[in-house]
Amino acid sequence: DQQVKQNSPSLSVQEGRISILNCDYTNSMFDYFLWYKKYPAEGPTFLISISSIKDKNEDGRFTVFLNKSAKHLSLHIVPSQPGDSAVYFCAASAFTSNGGATNKLIFGTGTLLAVQP
Amino acid sequence: DGGITQSPKYLFRKEGQNVTLSCEQNLNHDAMYWYRQDPGQGLRLIYYSQIVNDFQKGDIAEGYSVSREKKESFPLTVTSAQKNPTAFYLCASTKGTGWTGELFFGEGSRLTVL
Repeated sequence: DQQVKQNSPSLSVQEGRISILNCDYTNSMFDYFLWYKKYPAEGPTFLISISSIKDKNEDGRFTVFLNKSAKHLSLHIVPSQPGDSAVYFCAASAFTSNGGATNKLIFGTGTLLAVQP
Repeated sequence: DGGITQSPKYLFRKEGQNVTLSCEQNLNHDAMYWYRQDPGQGLRLIYYSQIVNDFQKGDIAEGYSVSREKKESFPLTVTSAQKNPTAFYLCASTKGTGWTGELFFGEGSRLTVL
């Protein structure tokens, strides 16, 4: 049972345009979400995160939007650059009773983004 | 530079053999993790350890074993009981308390069973 779903295995975008990567989750206990970027034969690197008390978090060209009622989040990359071509993983976690995130992330299956020059 | 080192990067083994993947970190992180990546299945948690001499099973622990004798080290043994061991294995670490969710990953080890 996939608790975190990325339904688009791949996405192709022209350089300079917006890339939108989507992620859906089923577990209503999740309240902390992260995006990771992964190049081939390398480990994923952290990109951006958002907690459930927010609906938007922005970091440079990257913005994550969270719609809790729809259990949906999206990552926007504007403008897209060829160096952004990678696999993007969405991940989710839940806060513990003492306020920190649990030490266990559930990952989606990833979306391969190709930014065409 | 601080980071996570996994070795070997590529490993081949015959069916029926155990193999141990190394993971070392010098980030002074308390928690360490092993994930497995298969095509179309994302990253799945095998084992994790939040403190020395303690570890917990993840979602797919069967056929694997770990130890955490030192804070810096979290080796993973893929045993002959693991039915489909060919995969890309990723080790990660993070701070313990006050954790914000950011995992730091190694570069991975690709295991191929012949």
